[in-house]
Amino acid sequence: GAVVSQHPSWVICKSGTSVKIECRSLDFQATTMFWYRQFPKQSLMLMATSNEGSKATYEQGVEKDKFLINHASLTLSTLTVTSAHPEDSSFYICSAKYPRGLYGYTFGSGTRLTVV
Amino acid sequence: AQSVTQLGSHVSVSEGALVLLRCNYSSSVPPYLFWYVQYPNQGLQLLLKYTSAATLVKGINGFEAEFKKSETSFHLTKPSAHMSDAAEYFCAVSEIISNFGNEKLTFGTGTRLTIIP
Repeated sequence: GAVVSQHPSWVICKSGTSVKIECRSLDFQATTMFWYRQFPKQSLMLMATSNEGSKATYEQGVEKDKFLINHASLTLSTLTVTSAHPEDSSFYICSAKYPRGLYGYTFGSGTRLTVV
Repeated sequence: AQSVTQLGSHVSVSEGALVLLRCNYSSSVPPYLFWYVQYPNQGLQLLLKYTSAATLVKGINGFEAEFKKSETSFHLTKPSAHMSDAAEYFCAVSEIISNFGNEKLTFGTGTRLTIIP
């Protein structure tokens, strides 16, 4: 239980285009989802926290206009990288809080974004 | 803010030997602590978690961790390493960040475990 599905697993896009990454909770309702960015051989850096039906809370230094997060339903959160540049190339991972009664977080399988 | 320190960015052990991955945390309140494993180009898989119940926590794949408040540690161990244990391991602490109960995970820098045949 508590499975999060993330798509796509990898994507290559041209500079200046936008890319959308989806994160779905398959068997539970996720009121809170998190988006992380991971550079090669480094730890996960929290980009933003999204709560269903409200605006995302971005971490300091994360451009909210570049990384658009939408959490329109209890099972879907999306991250859109707008006007992507090569420096946006990274591994992006979503996460959701476990349902009530459990404590913890479940993670998606990640999306490798390469901007060329 | 809470923080997590993982000593040793790389650890190598022989197959069948003891695995010990170190994690120390800083927290002014009782923390919730986690160990995750990450295989290349994959997300994170929960190994185990401490949520203020038993101090010795058993997880999947034979891993366990002991919460020691006096040492502010939550080291991960496995009695006998297997080749399939080769991966990146992250220790994390959960932190309440607002009066509304919002919270987030803070991760350590990770430890890459290599198993020597």
